Amino acid sequence: EAGVAQSPRYKIIEKRQSVAFWCNPISGHATLYWYQQILGQGPKLLIQFQNNGVVDDSQLPKDRFSAERLKGVDSTLKIQPAKLEDSAVYLCASSLGRRLALFTDTQYFGPGTRLTVL
Amino acid sequence: AQKVTQAQTEISVVEKEDVTLDCVYETRDTTYYLFWYKQPPSGELVFLIRRNSFDEQNEISGRYSWNFQKSTSSFNFTITASQVVDSAVYFCALAGANNLFFGTGTRLTVIP
Repeated sequence: EAGVAQSPRYKIIEKRQSVAFWCNPISGHATLYWYQQILGQGPKLLIQFQNNGVVDDSQLPKDRFSAERLKGVDSTLKIQPAKLEDSAVYLCASSLGRRLALFTDTQYFGPGTRLTVL
Repeated sequence: AQKVTQAQTEISVVEKEDVTLDCVYETRDTTYYLFWYKQPPSGELVFLIRRNSFDEQNEISGRYSWNFQKSTSSFNFTITASQVVDSAVYFCALAGANNLFFGTGTRLTVIP
């Protein structure tokens, strides 16, 4: 069974530029998560989708970050404009997403996209 | 508030030694889940175990074992006879009704 796919694996941009990350979850997984992992820290949830609807985006800096999952499968996360403090690994995860157990389901993670903002 | 503390930032052991990674959590939820993930240098978080708050039985899987104690709010992870391939950052995580909180991780280095 294929795992969670993410691209690109690495991205280097100048501050104030825009960047987009792509995620393809495990087939059949209804729930998709985006996390930000700053060096030396644990992952922090940015946004969670259940199918194509947003369940929780309370920690997403909406002035510069946006995410979508239009057809309930793939998802993109965009940063516009990027700041130096956005340098981090952006992890995508998916889970089966049983209705009453959104966070207690096991999440399976992709390899991440390492973003460096200069 | 929910919180996960992994007090050990870095641990180094010599191959074949046993090592225990500590995890202490805080939550007001009566139902919650605890997880351990491994993050090798490649960066991908690899799921190791999921345990719910009503199941305090310890678990063993090969060289890995987990000790869950609600009385001390701890969910410690032991690797027996460590190997170089065990070198990674290990994260403990706590899932409640509304979020999944990760600890800051413990970097384990196994020296040949």
